[in-house]
Amino acid sequence: GAVVSQHPSWVICKSGTSVKIECRSLDFQATTMFWYRQFPKQSLMLMATSNEGSKATYEQGVEKDKFLINHASLTLSTLTVTSAHPEDSSFYICSAESPAGSDTQYFGPGTRLTVL
Amino acid sequence: GQQLNQSPQSMFIQEGEDVSMNCTSSSIFNTWLWYKQDPGEGPVLLIALYKAGELTSNGRLTAQFGITRKDSFLNISASIPSDVGIYFCAGPPTSGSARQLTFGSGTQLTVLP
Repeated sequence: GAVVSQHPSWVICKSGTSVKIECRSLDFQATTMFWYRQFPKQSLMLMATSNEGSKATYEQGVEKDKFLINHASLTLSTLTVTSAHPEDSSFYICSAESPAGSDTQYFGPGTRLTVL
Repeated sequence: GQQLNQSPQSMFIQEGEDVSMNCTSSSIFNTWLWYKQDPGEGPVLLIALYKAGELTSNGRLTAQFGITRKDSFLNISASIPSDVGIYFCAGPPTSGSARQLTFGSGTQLTVLP
């Protein structure tokens, strides 16, 4: 149980285009999901907290107009990187809180974004 | 905010050896989580600790929640090649309504045959 999927697993796009990444909780409902970014050889850095039915909460330094988050249902959150640039190339990972509410988070497999 | 100091940063060990890594913080945590991340994958939860002093095992892995609630360690016994990866400690904040995790910097484990 507690499986989280992400789609796509990797994407290559041209500079200036927008890319949407989906995060789904497959066998449980997640009121809260989280989006992280990870650069090579570094730890995970939280970008934003995605709340079902309300606006996302962004961490300091993360542009909310560039990284659009939509948590339209209890099993789906999307992250759209708008007007992507090469410096946005990274590994984006989502997570969902355990349905048992035990502070545990389950992570998706990640999406590798490469902006040319 | 809360910060986690994880050590060592990297380890090179022989197959069959035991491994120990730890995480410390200047502030207390109510939950300690240990994750493993393989290259190109998301972190996978290994062990969750919810009580100070708690010692929990998962196969060859053992983790403990320090009595002071400011540290935790993870041990891997009889390492095998598939143990290779990055190990992260993590914990949620102890105050406020936010539930996002703080991650340690990770320990890169390499197992030599």
